[in-house]
Amino acid sequence: GQNIDQPTEMTATEGAIVQINCTYQTSGFNGLFWYQQHAGEAPTFLSYNVLDGLEEKGRFSSFLSRSKGYSYLLLKELQMKDSASYLCAVMDSNYQLIWGAGTKLIIKP
Amino acid sequence: GAVVSQHPSWVICKSGTSVKIECRSLDFQATTMFWYRQFPKQSLMLMATSNEGSKATYEQGVEKDKFLINHASLTLSTLTVTSAHPEDSSFYICSASGRTSDSYEQYFGPGTRLTVT
Repeated sequence: GQNIDQPTEMTATEGAIVQINCTYQTSGFNGLFWYQQHAGEAPTFLSYNVLDGLEEKGRFSSFLSRSKGYSYLLLKELQMKDSASYLCAVMDSNYQLIWGAGTKLIIKP
Repeated sequence: GAVVSQHPSWVICKSGTSVKIECRSLDFQATTMFWYRQFPKQSLMLMATSNEGSKATYEQGVEKDKFLINHASLTLSTLTVTSAHPEDSSFYICSASGRTSDSYEQYFGPGTRLTVT
C-alpha cells in the first residue's frame, strides 16, 4: 500500500528553527510537495522536490532523499504566523498526489 | 502564481437539496482538476480527478451519482452535491493542474465550506 508518515504535532519557539520530517512508501515517484495550511483555509504551495538534495526558498527549505524515501521541511526564524499544518504529499507513478495527515506546528512566544 | 477561485466560499443548505460548487482557473488552462474533501482536523481526501472533456475518475468509496463533477472547459469545473445530507457537511477544495515546465504543481482554490442542516 501507499503510505506517507509525518509527525502529528510539533511545538517550537518563535525565532527558532524546526524540521518537519516526512517518510513515504509509494508506487512510483514523480515528486514530493510541501503545503502549508492554516486552519479553515485551503493549502498553499511551499515547495516541490523531484531530485535529491536541498531546495532553499527564503526561510523555508525542503530536502529530499529518494533512496531513503525521506524528506524534511526546515523552517528558520520562526514567526507566530508560521503556526499551521504542514502537509507532505507525494506524486505517484499515476501522477496522483498521496497526502500525509499533516503536522500541526505550534509556535510559542 | 496561478490563481484558482471557488464559488461560493460557504453555503448552508437544507437536507435533500443540491448544491453546486464552481472551481475556476483564472490565468491558466487547467488540463486536470481535482476535488478534495476535508473533515475537521483530518487530512485532505481526494474525491475525484477530472480531465477536460472527459468523465471524472472517482476514488473508491465516493459515490459518482451523488457527487456530480463536470469539467466542461479548461478553466471551469463544477461539483454538485446532490440530495445533500448532514454528513456531507465538510470543506470542499478544488485544485487545478496545468503542466508547467517540470512541475506538476497543483494550485488550490480557497475552498467551500458546506453545511447541511
